[in-house]
Amino acid sequence: NAGVMQNPRHLVRRRGQEARLRCSPVKGHSHVYWYRQLPEEGLKFMVYLQKENIIDESGMPKERFSAEFPKEGPSILRIQQVVRGDSAAYFCASSPSSLNTGELFFGEGSRLTVL
Amino acid sequence: AQKITQTQPGMFVQEKEAVTLDCTYDTSDQSYGLFWYKQPSSGEMIFLIYQGSYDEQNATEGRYSLNFQKARKSANLVISASQLGDSAMYFCAMRKNNQGGKLIFGQGTELSVKP
Repeated sequence: NAGVMQNPRHLVRRRGQEARLRCSPVKGHSHVYWYRQLPEEGLKFMVYLQKENIIDESGMPKERFSAEFPKEGPSILRIQQVVRGDSAAYFCASSPSSLNTGELFFGEGSRLTVL
Repeated sequence: AQKITQTQPGMFVQEKEAVTLDCTYDTSDQSYGLFWYKQPSSGEMIFLIYQGSYDEQNATEGRYSLNFQKARKSANLVISASQLGDSAMYFCAMRKNNQGGKLIFGQGTELSVKP
């Protein structure tokens, strides 16, 4: 693991609550990527962010989901008014640029359970 | 559109034997990257190996090697001398040129190593 840190590792929410997932990229990396893994499936790209900018949000659900990567601090994936279908593992990865950089390391993931 | 196909939902291998996990991809791009990840039951995504489309030699990392056949658009993972700890889900993924950490994942293959 190249040092992508995610927290919390596990999060339980009731329907209608908000979930906030945090991702601290590898030191020096300015590009962050969020993925979602539903049970029994592969990872699906959600959003790509640079510091203070959303570059590609083509995989983000249109409602209730938002992401940010502020100038200071971790990237945040926010899910409002969670529903049971949001239960999944959410993974974050980072890279130093958008160029092909070979290896890509993920954080350990945040597992959201919606009751 | 890009696509990754892993046709083997589950595979068995005897301990100490070699095993090949299949991966085919579909892309019209000339420049792209191919990845393999391991996901044990604990859930983290562990990077295994990377192959760039212009790399002339097959990538190798310890007991892992990637059998890259560009004309056939296949990127099979070969694990030599299987160990019990290799039992896990294995995911093949592809990145389009200059998209940093935006990957497309296959559905995965579950490998079980028998003692």
